[in-house]
Amino acid sequence: AQSVTQLGSHVSVSEGALVLLRCNYSSSVPPYLFWYVQYPNQGLQLLLKYTSAATLVKGINGFEAEFKKSETSFHLTKPSAHMSDAAEYFCAVSGRVQGGSEKLVFGKGTKLTVNP
Amino acid sequence: GAVVSQHPSWVICKSGTSVKIECRSLDFQATTMFWYRQFPKQSLMLMATSNEGSKATYEQGVEKDKFLINHASLTLSTLTVTSAHPEDSSFYICSVTKQGSYGYTFGSGTRLTVV
Repeated sequence: AQSVTQLGSHVSVSEGALVLLRCNYSSSVPPYLFWYVQYPNQGLQLLLKYTSAATLVKGINGFEAEFKKSETSFHLTKPSAHMSDAAEYFCAVSGRVQGGSEKLVFGKGTKLTVNP
Repeated sequence: GAVVSQHPSWVICKSGTSVKIECRSLDFQATTMFWYRQFPKQSLMLMATSNEGSKATYEQGVEKDKFLINHASLTLSTLTVTSAHPEDSSFYICSVTKQGSYGYTFGSGTRLTVV
């Protein structure tokens, strides 16, 4: 079984500051890990995903995340926050099965606020 | 990447009526589709998983007779909320994937309001 814990339901940063959103996972099989962003009343947009290739994953909009197996973590970072980054962020995990992947399990989400 | 169209974006219906939400995979054959429900300021709750041509697998606590899911083709899945009540008001989102793929694409969501 898989589960995700996102530390901090709200994170507030100043524009230009470092963004760090924390995600720890639990998985009984080698995991796939994802970060999604959601703007109000919209679906989810994939920021990046880890599928067992490089442990440092670069995504869209300047975001990146590092898979650390020893820490069971997949934290999301961005060097310099922009006002447009204000949104809800979800970390998700799925287990690898032959031929594909299982259902996604989501964390509770972290709302990012960017202050001018 | 994959493109998913979800329709309608929002719908208001009267209590007791049924509402159908469509999820279409526009550019690839989706072997598996997922339906999620999201309450305000909360995470996504998986309702069911559907594979083309077979019955949907519902998560524990989800009423299969109330939330009817049909996955008739590799490009279309529908969620019908039957005899809707105000407590069914929520944001519903579909997601698609295909065998051999390691990614999921989400629809833009449907805001359902039952009055």
